[in-house]
Amino acid sequence: GENVEQHPSTLSVQEGDSAVIKCTYSDSASNYFPWYKQELGKRPQLIIDIRSNVGEKKDQRIAVTLNKTAKHFSLHITETQPEDSAVYFCAAGGSQGGSEKLVFGKGTKLTVNP
Amino acid sequence: GAVVSQHPSRVICKSGTSVKIECRSLDFQATTMFWYRQFPKQSLMLMATSNEGSKATYEQGVEKDKFLINHASLTLSTLTVTSAHPEDSSFYICSASLGSTYEQYFGPGTRLTVT
Repeated sequence: GENVEQHPSTLSVQEGDSAVIKCTYSDSASNYFPWYKQELGKRPQLIIDIRSNVGEKKDQRIAVTLNKTAKHFSLHITETQPEDSAVYFCAAGGSQGGSEKLVFGKGTKLTVNP
Repeated sequence: GAVVSQHPSRVICKSGTSVKIECRSLDFQATTMFWYRQFPKQSLMLMATSNEGSKATYEQGVEKDKFLINHASLTLSTLTVTSAHPEDSSFYICSASLGSTYEQYFGPGTRLTVT
């Protein structure tokens, strides 16, 4: 089955700097790659996603890139702000024999220091 | 759009009792819902996939007789933790899928504490 690795597990940046989180997946049939942001005690919120037919997607300060050949995708946050501090999860889906389930990475705790 | 609610948000129960958690999609019909368990500072662990009108598909290692799932309508799935024990204490989160797009939207979670 699918396996998703996420790095780093923790990331600390200064306000205004960029943050990059990377994920790799194992199943070349996966075709959907969402990113979720989870604040302490709250629900995971979908912040951006990308499908295998595109290589990059951007939404204001957030962008995601996908390299299908290398089977990795990354989240880029520019001009970070303290409110970006949270745990970020990547996931991969679309490969489980028609199942809609997602396989999640272990998460990255991002801290943005004022 | 794509709002998912979950009830209750917190529950404390005694060991040996059963607890039911409800997950509702408020503004869309969800043919598929998912139940996750999340331990502190850990990732989301998928417990089961719930399809409307059919039996749930459980992940390996999840006891189907202990975690009963019912998906009776396109907007409601329930998870019942039967004969709960302290080790079942956790954060349980549901999500609902928009279908073949694979997008999942999460409920706010239920903090279960078994004493």
